Amino acid sequence: EAQVTQNPRYLITVTGKKLTVTCSQNMNHEYMSWYRQDPGLGLRQIYYSMNVEVTDKGDVPEGYKVSRKEKRNFPLILESPSPNQTSLYFCASSPQGQTNYGYTFGSGTRLTVV
Amino acid sequence: RKEVEQDPGPFNVPEGATVAFNCTYSNSASQSFFWYRQDCRKEPKLLMSVYSSGNEDGRFTAQLNRASQYISLLIRDSKLSDSATYLCVVDDSWGKLQFGAGTQVVVTP
Repeated sequence: EAQVTQNPRYLITVTGKKLTVTCSQNMNHEYMSWYRQDPGLGLRQIYYSMNVEVTDKGDVPEGYKVSRKEKRNFPLILESPSPNQTSLYFCASSPQGQTNYGYTFGSGTRLTVV
Repeated sequence: RKEVEQDPGPFNVPEGATVAFNCTYSNSASQSFFWYRQDCRKEPKLLMSVYSSGNEDGRFTAQLNRASQYISLLIRDSKLSDSATYLCVVDDSWGKLQFGAGTQVVVTP
């Protein structure tokens, strides 16, 4: 089944403790992206990647890192999480880096930083 | 100003009725337009792309008005299962998609 898989689905952590949220897609998509969703604000892009070893900042990159060593994986790293990073996170992918295909989303990761 | 703006609703719709709502976008160079559906705190799922000539998919009709920079979604014969948040999505002409905050639709028996 074609899908984007995120892990974990739920995570509660403490301020300053490094964490990684994994994202993997099995559709051979070039384009991958991370979003956060907060009430009333919609989805905001954190980072995106057009292909392996090509990443760029989205609208809200502060406090996050990403890497794209393999085509299928695009992990999101929070080096020192803070409470304002409590949010619902989605990974998405798309073929060929083109927007006209729309995105396929993972099931989301609900992160709470205390 | 947000790039994509939507009325948050909720739009309360009796089952079987028709509901329509719009979304405005600020970038006149945008080329790709979509409606996504999102159930409560789940991942957004592509409902339909929006084409210049307008398009229909079953009970759903999408329209694009480039002159006024808005897209619309109309749902006919609403079902209880249509209750969701509908996200308007527009490309920013730089290869990225911009998401609206969503319009909530509640279909009541």
